[in-house]
Amino acid sequence: DIQMTQSPSSVSASVGDRVTITCRGSQGISSWLAWYQQKPGKAPKLLIYGASNLHSGVPSRFSGSGSGTDFTLTISSLQPEDFATYYCQHTNSFPFTFGPGTKVDI
Amino acid sequence: QLQLQESGPGLVKPSETLSLTCTVSGGSINSSSYYWGWIRQPPGKGLEWIGTIYYSGSTFYNPSLNSRVSISVDTSKNQFSLKLSSVTAADTAVYYCARQVTGDFDYWGQGTLVTVSS
Repeated sequence: DIQMTQSPSSVSASVGDRVTITCRGSQGISSWLAWYQQKPGKAPKLLIYGASNLHSGVPSRFSGSGSGTDFTLTISSLQPEDFATYYCQHTNSFPFTFGPGTKVDI
Repeated sequence: QLQLQESGPGLVKPSETLSLTCTVSGGSINSSSYYWGWIRQPPGKGLEWIGTIYYSGSTFYNPSLNSRVSISVDTSKNQFSLKLSSVTAADTAVYYCARQVTGDFDYWGQGTLVTVSS
């Protein structure tokens, strides 16, 4: 199975900051990676698919990059509604696995 | 607008079978373009993929749960269902159903908390 790791596990940031989260796979997954945002008590929301494609309705301040084993999610200018936990997920093949999450807080 | 809604008991006794249903509205489950999946999240922890089903009935399960999990689809009711047998306290979690497109989950239900306790 492909294992996913994320760093950092948490990050403290301020409104307007640029935030970068890293995700790494235990083996190459080409661009088969998705990013999700989850707020407390809510279901995750898809942000990015195919490593760099913005899901419909997602603000352009979110961007994804990478391929192979190393990926990044960048929030160019953090907004108050962006404080949440972010998960990566490989979409390469069954069984799918998620990263452990990165909490972005104030 | 596609919507998914989980339903089922919120409390299950240890060693019994957890059963949940996901009702899909605003779109057909009988589509060759999508898969339908279950994901769970223990309180305060991360996300775990449980399994996925195609409208034809083909299933894919997490190997860590494979012997205990069963997912089925009822296209006439636009529903798919999850059964997890021999549950323990470790199966206490929020269970989500979601639509799956080429691996990623683009629409999610709100989630339902299932507690395993006597």
